[in-house]
Amino acid sequence: QSALTQPASVSGSPGQSITISCTGTSSDVGGYKYVSWYQQHPGKAPKLILYDVSNRPSGVSDRFSGSKSGNTASLTISGLQAEDEADYYCNSYTSSSTLVFGGGTKLTVL
Amino acid sequence: EVQLVESGGGLVQPGGSLRLSCATSGFTFSSYWMHWVRQAPGKGLVWVSRVKNDGSSTNYADSVKGRFTISRDNAKNTLYLQMNSLRAEDTAVYYCVRSLGEGSVWGQGTLVTVSS
Repeated sequence: QSALTQPASVSGSPGQSITISCTGTSSDVGGYKYVSWYQQHPGKAPKLILYDVSNRPSGVSDRFSGSKSGNTASLTISGLQAEDEADYYCNSYTSSSTLVFGGGTKLTVL
Repeated sequence: EVQLVESGGGLVQPGGSLRLSCATSGFTFSSYWMHWVRQAPGKGLVWVSRVKNDGSSTNYADSVKGRFTISRDNAKNTLYLQMNSLRAEDTAVYYCVRSLGEGSVWGQGTLVTVSS
C-alpha cells in the first residue's frame, strides 16, 4: 500500500494553468476509473473537486479538470486564482479492495 | 444539510485504546460506504478503513489491520472506529468520510494523540 506519487509542490501566477500529476501502478491508478482529487486549505477538511478521473461535483469550478494516461492521473487548474492556493491530494481504489492517497502537492499562487 | 460530526478523540498512552464515533445527518446513511482517513500533524492524508453500506464488508490499511475495527449502526446513523494497541505513529486528526469519490463529504475531524 505505497502512497501514490505526487510532486511536493507546484506554483503558478494568477491566470496561468498548472498540472499536478499522480503516479501509481496498474494495481491502482492504471487499473480503475476510480481516481478522485481533493483540495485542502490550511486548518480545513479536504473537499472533493474531481471524481472518476474527470467528473466535477456540482458547484466545483470548471477551471478544474482531470485526465488519466496509463498509471498516471493528472489534475489541471486553469486560470489560476489566489483562492486555489491549497494542498491537493489524489486518491485511487486498489486491487486489494483498499484505497490509497497521494503524498499531496502544495500549490502556491505567486 | 449533510453533516458528519466526529467525537471521541483525545490523549491516550501507548498501548491504550480509544473509540471514535461519527454522528451523521442530512442523508440516507445506510446507502453509503463510509471511511476513516487520518492526517498526522503537518503530513498528508492516509486512508485507514472502510465499511460497506450494510456493514457486511470491511477493509483496512496494513498499518492498522488487526488493531483497529470499523463498524456502523445504521439505526443510529453513526460510524465507529475502535482503536486498540495504539502507537505514537497513530497520532493524527481522524476524519469520518462519506464515500471516497462521487458524493464524498468529510467531517471536521477529531484529534487523537498517543503519548506518555
